[in-house]
Amino acid sequence: NAGVMQNPRHLVRRRGQEARLRCSPMKGHSHVYWYRQLPEEGLKFMVYLQKENIIDESGMPKERFSAEFPKEGPSILRIQQVVRGDSAAYFCASSPSSGEQFFGPGTRLTVL
Amino acid sequence: RKEVEQDPGPFNVPEGATVAFNCTYSNSASQSFFWYRQDCRKEPKLLMSVYSSGNEDGRFTAQLNRASQYISLLIRDSKLSDSATYLCVPYVAGNKLTFGGGTRVLVKP
Repeated sequence: NAGVMQNPRHLVRRRGQEARLRCSPMKGHSHVYWYRQLPEEGLKFMVYLQKENIIDESGMPKERFSAEFPKEGPSILRIQQVVRGDSAAYFCASSPSSGEQFFGPGTRLTVL
Repeated sequence: RKEVEQDPGPFNVPEGATVAFNCTYSNSASQSFFWYRQDCRKEPKLLMSVYSSGNEDGRFTAQLNRASQYISLLIRDSKLSDSATYLCVPYVAGNKLTFGGGTRVLVKP
């Protein structure tokens, strides 16, 4: 059973470009969570999704950030018009219901 | 009061020694707790789940004190490979997980 998969593992964007981060949950998991981790800081919750629904987006910045988890395919975290402050590691986690979460390897976004 | 508070450390531990550290939480409705470990620049990995008063897995023991609202993690016979940041996560059913800032442990030869 493959674990949580994220791609790309590393992403470089110039200011103003769009970044798309993908997350495929573990087989049988219908709950997906996105977290952001700045260098030398802790994990910050961004958004919690189930298939086709956003359950909790209280950690998402109000502008430029969006997330989806379609019926088919991976969950996508989209950042429009990236700025240098968006540079961080973005981790996705999945769980079969609520509770224990299993993390993917993360996407490291660098904004030049 | 923060939802989750952890001593950031670092705890410098001689190889083979025992180390213990606490995590305090503010939500008394927390039903279960998770300890994750995170290595530098890697993803968090689930170390232990605690659903009652505690749990033990090999050299690792977690103990929950609901009256004082803290959970501890004890590592016996520390190995160099135990060097990591340990994240405490209290859980309320249906809610998102809130991660503490973590406690950094450095095991030295």
